[in-house]
Amino acid sequence: KAGVTQTPRYLIKTRGQQVTLSCSPISGHRSVSWYQQTPGQGLQFLFEYFSETQRNKGNFPGRFSGRQFSNSRSEMNVSTLELGDSALYLCASSLGPMNYEQYFGPGTRLTVT
Amino acid sequence: SQQGEEDPQALSIQEGENATMNCSYKTSINNLQWYRQNSGRGLVHLILIRSNEREKHSGRLRVTLDTSKKSSSLLITASRAADTASYFCATDHPQGGSEKLVFGKGTKLTVNP
Repeated sequence: KAGVTQTPRYLIKTRGQQVTLSCSPISGHRSVSWYQQTPGQGLQFLFEYFSETQRNKGNFPGRFSGRQFSNSRSEMNVSTLELGDSALYLCASSLGPMNYEQYFGPGTRLTVT
Repeated sequence: SQQGEEDPQALSIQEGENATMNCSYKTSINNLQWYRQNSGRGLVHLILIRSNEREKHSGRLRVTLDTSKKSSSLLITASRAADTASYFCATDHPQGGSEKLVFGKGTKLTVNP
C-alpha cells in the first residue's frame, strides 16, 4: 500500500503570497489531518477532515484553510503569508477519527522570505 | 498549553543501553500514542495505548500508562544507532464535542555507536 504523499516537498514563497499544499492519504483512509511543526512551537494541530467535512480545527487564524475532496485527497491553503508561517507542514491520514493511529506523510517544508 | 510534555528534552546513550522517556499530560484522555521522527521527516506511529490499559509491548518497545498520575513512559531496550530520533507522545484532547490530537515537544534521543 502506498503511504501518505505530500506535494510539493519544498516551497519558497515571499511574504504576502498564498500557498496551496496537497496531501494524498493512504487508500481507504477517510480522515486527513494537518499539522504545523516549528522548532519553537513544536507540532500543532491545524485541522482534520473526514468525509469532506472539517471535524476539528486548531487555534490558527483564518488565513489557514483546508478542504477535502471526494477521493479523500486534501489541500490546505495559507493566504497572505507571514515570516512566521515558515514551518514543516505535515499531513496524516487514518482510518477513523483522530484517536486512531495516524500515518504521516514526509511533509512540505515551507520557507517564507 | 501542550497536553503532553515529554521528559527529558534530550537523552544521549550508548548503543545497547536502554532509553526511557516520560510523558505527562493534564486532562483525562481516551488514549495516548507514541511517535518517532527522524531528522525533520514525517512521524512514524509506534504504539497506541488506551486509557484502560496499563502496559503494552511492541518488539523492543514497552509503553506504560498511569492514568492516576497522568503519565506514560516509553522504554526502548537494547538501543541501536538507528533509534536516534525524536520521540513524541500524543494525547487526544476533547474540544467542544470533537477532538484534537495534541503532541508534546518531544524527547531527542541520540544513540552513540
